[in-house]
Amino acid sequence: AQSVTQPDIHITVSEGASLELRCNYSYGATPYLFWYVQSPGQGLQLLLKYFSGDTLVQGIKGFEAEFKRSQSSFNLRKPSVHWSDAAEYFCAVVAYGQNFVFGPGTRLSVLP
Amino acid sequence: DAGVIQSPRHEVTEMGQEVTLRCKPISGHDYLFWYRQTMMRGLELLIYFNNNVPIDDSGMPEDRFSAKMPNASFSTLKIQPSEPRDSAVYFCASSQTGLGPNTEAFFGQGTRLTVV
Repeated sequence: AQSVTQPDIHITVSEGASLELRCNYSYGATPYLFWYVQSPGQGLQLLLKYFSGDTLVQGIKGFEAEFKRSQSSFNLRKPSVHWSDAAEYFCAVVAYGQNFVFGPGTRLSVLP
Repeated sequence: DAGVIQSPRHEVTEMGQEVTLRCKPISGHDYLFWYRQTMMRGLELLIYFNNNVPIDDSGMPEDRFSAKMPNASFSTLKIQPSEPRDSAVYFCASSQTGLGPNTEAFFGQGTRLTVV
């Protein structure tokens, strides 16, 4: 069965610092990969997604993610974090005939 | 399209009462998902439908939980009787069938359920 892990439950960074959130998946073939963000009291919003092609994908709000097949990873990055980026971030995978599987989430706190 | 619409946004009920959560998916979407989110367990898939048919309900915690999708534009998640441990945020999401560049799960705003 496919699964998604996000090793970091909670990360704290200073505003302006760079950010990397880790995501690893377990699946026989390359699934479709997603990052969602959930602001407090809100639903989940899609940041970016990867299907094929260029392994570095750009998303909204200045985020990007890189797919590394050899590491079964899809890490999310941002070069300079803003206070408004404080939220919970979910990595998700979906494969043909399967439902969306979400990771446990990483909570991001941003220090002023 | 207005997106996935859930109602109510907040629900407070007494233990033992029946609770019904409602969801209207995005028109044209073939998949509908019900998730529960808690601090302890994170985001859990409860059940999902494809073309109004329940495909996988293995995430439904107990027989007290039931879900229906009588048509393509409406789904309910019912808890009867409700218990305090059911307190959580319940999300509905929908997506198109198949996989391609447009594949994405669209989430509703959620229903925050409090059982006292």
